[in-house]
Amino acid sequence: EPEVTQTPSHQVTQMGQEVILRCVPISNHLYFYWYRQILGQKVEFLVSFYNNEISEKSEIFDDQFSVERPDGSNFTLKIRSTKLEDSAMYFCASRSDRESSYNSPLHFGNGTRLTVT
Amino acid sequence: GQNIDQPTEMTATEGAIVQINCTYQTSGFNGLFWYQQHAGEAPTFLSYNVLDGLEEKGRFSSFLSRSKGYSYLLLKELQMKDSASYLCAVRDDSGNTPLVFGKGTRLSVIA
Repeated sequence: EPEVTQTPSHQVTQMGQEVILRCVPISNHLYFYWYRQILGQKVEFLVSFYNNEISEKSEIFDDQFSVERPDGSNFTLKIRSTKLEDSAMYFCASRSDRESSYNSPLHFGNGTRLTVT
Repeated sequence: GQNIDQPTEMTATEGAIVQINCTYQTSGFNGLFWYQQHAGEAPTFLSYNVLDGLEEKGRFSSFLSRSKGYSYLLLKELQMKDSASYLCAVRDDSGNTPLVFGKGTRLSVIA
């Protein structure tokens, strides 16, 4: 079964450094998302992406964050200057356009655990 | 605003049945999803409801009442591997609106 893949599985970085988290969505999917989950807390929406542009973003997704689809397969999340509170698990998800928009589930990758020291 | 409530923790015995409730208040409604998440892993899709009633999928069933803003996930014949967090998520607007997740219910299955 096709799956969403994320790299790296774990990233440790120092406060103030830039990080890029990478995702390869399922190949025929057209909607892409980034979510994060701080340890012990709920899964929180960051941003959605469709047709090469951001379609929606949350309050968390401030100017320090950006997303890009540099080629036909990768979908990246960049944090320009990391803060301690950015430590979390970051999940990429994708969704098919072929199923009805209303019932198509998100398919999640295994996540990147970001630790900011 | 959006508010999704679930119990924080539940414990049930292997072989038993457990019901995990979810209530929601959202500005709109276009479907409710249940996900399973084992510790340190990704959420995996379990079920979807958009119309009132029960959807059955093997050992798992999910129920929805839109008028009450209420859903439950029913797990039958519990197995130890069912120990996980169960996340209720709502899509509150058009088809491309992202899912909003509740805090999840951590289920422990004991022998």
